[in-house]
Amino acid sequence: GQNIDQPTEMTATEGAIVQINCTYQTSGFNGLFWYQQHAGEAPTFLSYNVLDGLEEKGRFSSFLSRSKGYSYLLLKELQMKDSASYLCAAMDSNYQLIWGAGTKLIIKP
Amino acid sequence: EAQVTQNPRYLITVTGKKLTVTCSQNMNHEYMSWYRQDPGLGLRQIYYSMNVEVTDKGDVPEGYKVSRKEKRNFPLILESPSPNQTSLYFCASSTQGEPHEQYFGPGTRLTVT
Repeated sequence: GQNIDQPTEMTATEGAIVQINCTYQTSGFNGLFWYQQHAGEAPTFLSYNVLDGLEEKGRFSSFLSRSKGYSYLLLKELQMKDSASYLCAAMDSNYQLIWGAGTKLIIKP
Repeated sequence: EAQVTQNPRYLITVTGKKLTVTCSQNMNHEYMSWYRQDPGLGLRQIYYSMNVEVTDKGDVPEGYKVSRKEKRNFPLILESPSPNQTSLYFCASSTQGEPHEQYFGPGTRLTVT
């Protein structure tokens, strides 16, 4: 079957760095997405990886290893506003998205 | 402003009373989709549409209907709502024919009693 695994909850300190991991199993693969969702709000797009390696976008970076079925989202210089859920989603060979349940990130001062 | 709009934002209804949740996007996107989000389960796709007059079932289509008569609109219809359809619903659209970078509507919180 197809599935996505990511931690349910993580806690980090303001100003620090945190890495949110995601492993996936899909029938074929057409890319890996990360979305941010603040409580009570809609998800917003953060990143898309289809090739192996690290993509950096300001304080946020996303990494993909296709051979390992693994991705992570790296958040640097954490700010209180980064407290949110982070959703990992993999696109299968039929261009359908398989979503993880999300990782709730709690930032402490 | 480029956006996806949904109405209503909040709805409390009773079992069996037909309802429609509207979704509209002003970005000329081809791909549109409906999701429901329940605690601990993440986003689950209900239906999607890759273009006008083309709709397909997602992971949890039972109890729902959709239509795509115009590019900008993608309403979600619950013919006979039941309490297990109580959820947070999101509409989303994407520039390409596939669900690439998606823009989500603000969500509709539905309670069925």
